Amino acid sequence: EPEVTQTPSHQVTQMGQEVILRCVPISNHLYFYWYRQILGQKVEFLVSFYNNEISEKSEIFDDQFSVERPDGSNFTLKIRSTKLEDSAMYFCASSQGNNSPLHFGNGTRLTVT
Amino acid sequence: TQLLEQSPQFLSIQEGENLTVYCNSSSVFSSLQWYRQEPGEGPVLLVTVVTGGEVKKLKRLTFQFGDARKDSSLHITAAQPGDTGLYLCAGGGNQGGKLIFGQGTELSVKP
Repeated sequence: EPEVTQTPSHQVTQMGQEVILRCVPISNHLYFYWYRQILGQKVEFLVSFYNNEISEKSEIFDDQFSVERPDGSNFTLKIRSTKLEDSAMYFCASSQGNNSPLHFGNGTRLTVT
Repeated sequence: TQLLEQSPQFLSIQEGENLTVYCNSSSVFSSLQWYRQEPGEGPVLLVTVVTGGEVKKLKRLTFQFGDARKDSSLHITAAQPGDTGLYLCAGGGNQGGKLIFGQGTELSVKP
């Protein structure tokens, strides 16, 4: 069964550094998402992306965050200058349609020191 | 702000017992999804319910969507150790693909 793949599985970075989290969504899916889960807290929506542009973003998704689909397969989340509080599991998801079920990757554990 | 409250947050039971997890909101959702998440992995979809009052069964799991589409429940019959995991409800459909997650129920089934 097709799956969403995320790399790396674990990223350690120093505060103030830029990080890029990578995702390969399921190939025939059109909607892409990033969610995050801080340890012990809820899974939180960050951003949705469709037709090469952001369709919705949360309050968490400030100017330090950006997303890109640089080619036909990858979907990336960039954090420009990481903060300690950015430490979390970041999940990429994709879906076929606007109201279709989301398929999640296994996440990237980001640790900011 | 839409919120989903799950209860209980933790549940530890013996193999063979039945259990129910609840997911409640003051908001109406177009759909309600249940996920299961294992440590180190992403949430895996179990079921989507979209119609008020809808009941779906998946082997020993029964999912119900409330008539007003504000709440949902997950009932597991004769729980087994393999059911151990984190169960998440998520409401969606009101704003495209964005999902609002509950805080999860950590289920432990002891042999």
